[in-house]
Amino acid sequence: DTGVSQDPRHKITKRGQNVTFRCDPISEHNRLYWYRQTLGQGPEFLTYFQNEAQLEKSRLLSDRFSAERPKGSFSTLEIQRTEQGDSAMYLCASSLPIGGPNTEAFFGQGTRLTVV
Amino acid sequence: EDKVVQSPLSLVVHEGDTVTLNCSYEVTNFRSLLWYKQEKKAPTFLFMLTSSGIEKKSGRLSSILDKKELFSILNITATQTGDSAVYLCAVGRGSTLGRLYFGRGTQLTVWP
Repeated sequence: DTGVSQDPRHKITKRGQNVTFRCDPISEHNRLYWYRQTLGQGPEFLTYFQNEAQLEKSRLLSDRFSAERPKGSFSTLEIQRTEQGDSAMYLCASSLPIGGPNTEAFFGQGTRLTVV
Repeated sequence: EDKVVQSPLSLVVHEGDTVTLNCSYEVTNFRSLLWYKQEKKAPTFLFMLTSSGIEKKSGRLSSILDKKELFSILNITATQTGDSAVYLCAVGRGSTLGRLYFGRGTQLTVWP
């Protein structure tokens, strides 16, 4: 499978616990994005990387959220001290550099987080 | 504030019908508009539009962009039950290269 891969697909955690999600982008894509989607809403941007550099972060990304892409390949999104409001689908996407002809973002299957 | 508005939010049709989904946007420094289909999980890419008036077509689906009136439509002809999904419209800006601004989506249900 050469698409965007996310792990785990589902995560149930107790409030206050820390969770970490992983995203493996399409191999030749140097841009990687994290979005969050709640029921009935479109995806909301969280952050994005170009190679290993985190170039943009949304106001939605509170201090409890941190994302890394240490070698410019896979990325992790960590949520510390989870709250019930963090329950959502966390989507990862990747794309080729802007400026080329094919710059659409391709999404992974998502990680569904439930905080109980 | 940048926004992307889709209408209708929900649509129920019978197989064989033709549907038109709408997306209007107010985004500064517009770069591109994208349509995605989402069935339960990952949004899958349909079209990317950057120029006005040029129709993009893929099988029974087609889309066009009007940059003057700030909207796009997605047409699906001869609908099938497999077209049932949420259709998402997203807009990219030139100044924030990584971010897509999504609408809430249109939930399309096609009955046999």
